[in-house]
Amino acid sequence: GAGVSQSPSNKVTEKGKDVELRCDPISGHTALYWYRQSLGQGLEFLIYFQGNSAPDKSGLPSDRFSAERTGGSVSTLTIQRTQQEDSAVYLCASSPGLAVDTQYFGPGTRLTVL
Amino acid sequence: AQKVTQAQTEISVVEKEDVTLDCVYETRDTTYYLFWYKQPPSGELVFLIRRNSFDEQNEISGRYSWNFQKSTSSFNFTITASQVVDSAVYFCALSARETSGSRLTFGEGTQLTVNP
Repeated sequence: GAGVSQSPSNKVTEKGKDVELRCDPISGHTALYWYRQSLGQGLEFLIYFQGNSAPDKSGLPSDRFSAERTGGSVSTLTIQRTQQEDSAVYLCASSPGLAVDTQYFGPGTRLTVL
Repeated sequence: AQKVTQAQTEISVVEKEDVTLDCVYETRDTTYYLFWYKQPPSGELVFLIRRNSFDEQNEISGRYSWNFQKSTSSFNFTITASQVVDSAVYFCALSARETSGSRLTFGEGTQLTVNP
């Protein structure tokens, strides 16, 4: 079946603009994760959604970052007033939501803030 | 807190050589899961294996094998008879639910280059 999809694959924006990144998880997966991969910080957890439970937002680096998941499927990560340090690859993953979970990753969105 | 250390930043080998990628982890949880992912130049993280903390049996899958040793908190990955297509960044990751929920804690990754 189809894997995790993300759009856009690349996004170039100017400092101070808002951006939205989209993630479409594997069909039937109830858990969805966002991670960020940057040169200086490696792979960092950002946020986790599981079904209808309140999301785990503990990895979001600042209040400029937010995410939502509509209808238990598609998720949007929003970064407001982008800064140059936000430049990174944003990776989305989904998992079945079982007790023992393997996370399957999408291709990522490369964000460049000029 | 959880921590994963991949001390080898870059490894370069010649095709057909065996290569071992090291992974050392830290966690206070008694139940945890360890993973290896491959990130080829295309950028997508590809799942390779998951092991739980109660299962120390080594695993072999084709040219890949994994050695899990709780006594040394290590989960090393060996590629036998390496091929050019094995060139990628390899990440070791830890999931320890009691203290950090479902998130994965990743190591810094090892860049493997297999030369023809």
